[in-house]
Amino acid sequence: GENVEQHPSTLSVQEGDSAVIKCTYSDSASNYFPWYKQELGKRPQLIIDIRSNVGEKKDQRIAVTLNKTAKHFSLHITETQPEDSAVYFCAALQVGNTPLVFGKGTRLSVIA
Amino acid sequence: IAGITQAPTSQILAAGRRMTLRCTQDMRHNAMYWYRQDLGLGLRLIHYSNTAGTTGKGEVPDGYSVSRANTDDFPLTLASAVPSQTSVYFCASSPDRDGSPLHFGNGTRLTVT
Repeated sequence: GENVEQHPSTLSVQEGDSAVIKCTYSDSASNYFPWYKQELGKRPQLIIDIRSNVGEKKDQRIAVTLNKTAKHFSLHITETQPEDSAVYFCAALQVGNTPLVFGKGTRLSVIA
Repeated sequence: IAGITQAPTSQILAAGRRMTLRCTQDMRHNAMYWYRQDLGLGLRLIHYSNTAGTTGKGEVPDGYSVSRANTDDFPLTLASAVPSQTSVYFCASSPDRDGSPLHFGNGTRLTVT
């Protein structure tokens, strides 16, 4: 089955700096890669996703890149703000087949 | 308000007791999931259901059972709770397994003593 590795497990950045979180996946058939943000005590919520026919996707300060050959994808947050502090989870699945498999999460702290 | 509801919010349970965590959604989503969240281990899939009447095992199914008698409800049962089942449990749903976003409930914090 699919295995998703996520790094780093914790990340601290100064406010205004960029943050990058990287994930690798094992199943070359996976074709959907979402990112979820979980604030303290809250439920995970989708922030951005990418499908395998696209190499990059942006939404304001957030972007995701996908390298299908290397089987890795990354979340980029620019101009970080204190409200970006949360745990971020990457995930992967093969549409119509396996359920979503999550990475172990990255705790991002943005220091004001 | 459309969404997914979990009950109870939290529970302390003696080891060996039976417990059912409830999950109801009103979005008419076909697929539903149960995940457990433990520090450092992320979200691990326990069981899932692609549509009413069907269920499947996830990564960590042992000690848990589910049923999907209708579209809206997806209860998770611990037949005989053990301390290692102490965790935060999230129910989620999605329209289908077509890459649609998961909608999560607020979670149930379960402590088994």
